[in-house]
Amino acid sequence: KQEVTQIPAALSVPEGENLVLNCSFTDSAIYNLQWFRQDPGKGLTSLLLIQSSQREQTSGRLNASLDKSSGRSTLYIAASQPGDSATYLCAATGFQKLVFGTGTRLLVSP
Amino acid sequence: DGGITQSPKYLFRKEGQNVTLSCEQNLNHDAMYWYRQDPGQGLRLIYYSQIVNDFQKGDIAEGYSVSREKKESFPLTVTSAQKNPTAFYLCASMAGLAGSEQFFGPGTRLTVL
Repeated sequence: KQEVTQIPAALSVPEGENLVLNCSFTDSAIYNLQWFRQDPGKGLTSLLLIQSSQREQTSGRLNASLDKSSGRSTLYIAASQPGDSATYLCAATGFQKLVFGTGTRLLVSP
Repeated sequence: DGGITQSPKYLFRKEGQNVTLSCEQNLNHDAMYWYRQDPGQGLRLIYYSQIVNDFQKGDIAEGYSVSREKKESFPLTVTSAQKNPTAFYLCASMAGLAGSEQFFGPGTRLTVL
């Protein structure tokens, strides 16, 4: 059974810092790895999707990498801003089903 | 605009009542999903449907029921058999192809009084 773990559970940084969020999964037989953002009381917003054949994806200040062999993905946020404050979740996709981590709650202070 | 809508945003239920949460999508996606989110926990899959008139149980289906009579609609009924229904419920959809991106609605917060 797939298990997804996110470390750290919470992170507080000053504005402008570069930061890395970690996601690990136990079963490397995945179709893709998806990163989401969730603001309090809201639904999930898809940030990046990395197909199993890819190593990384970039969108603006966000870069996500995938290493299937080690069961790890990282989300790199460059030059963090207060508007980046949210919970970030990763999800490993099996056949038609996603398994989610519990998220990293990020606070970026001005 | 294409997207997923959920209604209502907030829902209050008395003990012993069944309630139905609505989920509609206009993305022309084949697959639809229902998740439950509790504080400090990841999303847990309740039910999913890959095609009209077909659906499968997820990890925590007990006390819930669904239907998929139309491609764009996937309502979730929380029955009185669900002992702890207070939670945030999220609906999602996906194109249906393995490895596709999953998109989410804004969620419904259900509270049992």
